[in-house]
Amino acid sequence: DAGVIQSPRHEVTEMGQEVTLRCKPISGHDYLFWYRQTMMRGLELLIYFNNNVPIDDSGMPEDRFSAKMPNASFSTLKIQPSEPRDSAVYFCASSLARFSGKTGELFFGEGSRLTVL
Amino acid sequence: RKEVEQDPGPFNVPEGATVAFNCTYSNSASQSFFWYRQDCRKEPKLLMSVYSSGNEDGRFTAQLNRASQYISLLIRDSKLSDSATYLCVVNPITGGGNKLTFGTGTQLKVEL
Repeated sequence: DAGVIQSPRHEVTEMGQEVTLRCKPISGHDYLFWYRQTMMRGLELLIYFNNNVPIDDSGMPEDRFSAKMPNASFSTLKIQPSEPRDSAVYFCASSLARFSGKTGELFFGEGSRLTVL
Repeated sequence: RKEVEQDPGPFNVPEGATVAFNCTYSNSASQSFFWYRQDCRKEPKLLMSVYSSGNEDGRFTAQLNRASQYISLLIRDSKLSDSATYLCVVNPITGGGNKLTFGTGTQLKVEL
């Protein structure tokens, strides 16, 4: 079975350019998450969706970041304009149903490594 | 104070050694706890959940101390393949929800 698919795997861009990251969750999963990982701050939750509806976007750093989920099989994270401090690995993850004390498995994509010069 | 804190390491241990990692969390109402493993330049993957009574999965033992708000992971008979970063993960929302908070990870290097 296909896992979470992200594209692009690597992106190098210049400050001020628009960046769009894409994610295809595992079929049937009803939660989708966008995380950002840096050495200094680790994995930070940016936003998550349930059944394509944004539930919590409190982790989105500022208005330059936006995320959409137009259907159950596709989501985008957009940065416009990009800045050097946005350089990080952006992970998309999906999961099935709510967490209980005995579940909690997020399935991560391989990540999109973004470098903003 | 960070929501989830871990010693970043690295922990350098010889093959066959026993190694333990601790993690503390700040929200006493947190309900669910997990350990994830992340190999270098790869995505995180669930290693094991942490149950109140403690639980074991082969060479790995996880324990939870709610009174002190810490979680531990013990790895016995370390293998070279155990070399990775171990992420402590907490669900801080009372009553459930899906907002997992990750620690910054503890790096383990198992050497010959």
